[in-house]
Amino acid sequence: AQKITQTQPGMFVQEKEAVTLDCTYDTSDPSYGLFWYKQPSSGEMIFLIYQGSYDQQNATEGRYSLNFQKARKSANLVISASQLGDSAMYFCAMREGPVAGNQFYFGTGTSLTVIP
Amino acid sequence: GAGVSQSPSNKVTEKGKDVELRCDPISGHTALYWYRQSLGQGLEFLIYFQGNSAPDKSGLPSDRFSAERTGGSVSTLTIQRTQQEDSAVYLCASSPTLPAYEQYFGPGTRLTVT
Repeated sequence: AQKITQTQPGMFVQEKEAVTLDCTYDTSDPSYGLFWYKQPSSGEMIFLIYQGSYDQQNATEGRYSLNFQKARKSANLVISASQLGDSAMYFCAMREGPVAGNQFYFGTGTSLTVIP
Repeated sequence: GAGVSQSPSNKVTEKGKDVELRCDPISGHTALYWYRQSLGQGLEFLIYFQGNSAPDKSGLPSDRFSAERTGGSVSTLTIQRTQQEDSAVYLCASSPTLPAYEQYFGPGTRLTVT
């Protein structure tokens, strides 16, 4: 089974609107971390947001928020007030285990296009 | 401060040749990862190193691929007898043990096998 599933290969959003990028995960480890990365056309991977499995509140970082639904094993990324610069590939990832050094699993990504 | 660096940034090689890709992680980061990203695809885990522990090689696609990490710092990914399907961007990332949050990625090495 896939550890990380991103079912939206491509998404479009109007500038200034909000958009939700879906991510579901699969793990039996009670301790894990969930991450979102942005990859613009230039190729670099940019860390956006992190959610720990024991965190009680949804993570937020500026215009990014993570809608963490533990029982459903989903970790959707919400981008508010979309900007043209948000056009990029977005990857959801999971790290199993309590500390860094465990393997990271990445989804296949969602290509987001922001329309002016 | 200095981020993760990779060299070369681009490498074109002939089929059958060996190549070495280098990664310099952020100083003090104990974990180091190698990924492969084919055109338009997600990241494929290859190998990771954590401190002095034996590396997790479970993602290496064949015995033509190997990696080492010297002195707990610099890492080299070696591909022997390259094939055209090895063409991809090879990304390196490092991570501190604590806080165990994100990986810091290098700019990648674009490998083209002709």
